[in-house]
Amino acid sequence: EPEVTQTPSHQVTQMGQEVILRCVPISNHLYFYWYRQILGQKVEFLVSFYNNEISEKSEIFDDQFSVERPDGSNFTLKIRSTKLEDSAMYFCASSADRAVKNIQYFGAGTRLSVL
Amino acid sequence: AQRVTQPEKLLSVFKGAPVELKCNYSYSGSPELFWYVQYSRQRLQLLLRHISRESIKGFTADLNKGETSFHLKKPFAQEEDSAMYYCAPTPEAGTALIFGKGTTLSVSS
Repeated sequence: EPEVTQTPSHQVTQMGQEVILRCVPISNHLYFYWYRQILGQKVEFLVSFYNNEISEKSEIFDDQFSVERPDGSNFTLKIRSTKLEDSAMYFCASSADRAVKNIQYFGAGTRLSVL
Repeated sequence: AQRVTQPEKLLSVFKGAPVELKCNYSYSGSPELFWYVQYSRQRLQLLLRHISRESIKGFTADLNKGETSFHLKKPFAQEEDSAMYYCAPTPEAGTALIFGKGTTLSVSS
């Protein structure tokens, strides 16, 4: 069964450094998402992406964050200058098309630790 | 403001007991409602959506628009139901899943 793949599973970085979290969505899916979960808190929506542009973003997704689909398979989340409070589990998700845009398939997550 | 409330952080039941995981939402319009589940060491996955009105793994969820609730129920819990359950409404025209804080269901024998 096709799966959303995220790499790396754990990323450790120093405060102020840039990080790129990578995701390979399910191949025929059209909608892509990033969520995050700070330890002990709920899963929070960051951004959705469709047709090579951001379709929706939350207040969390400020100028420090960006997303990109650099080729036909990858979907990346970049944090320009990491802060301690960016430490969280980051989940990528994808969905097939507009009719089922909220049936989202999640990756296993990348744990980001900012020191 | 859009809000989803799952009042129980932890629900512990014995195998064979009925289960009800509560979810209340505060949304304008007609949101679409989902339950997502995360089993131990597995990824988040869709359990069921209100629009399909189906039963998955014995679970059902009824949308009560008057009470703005979407409680998840199962008449006889099994040990393999132990997991974290998230209620996730989505605004009518939105793409984002807005997750509740989640309820950990623990089923013991």
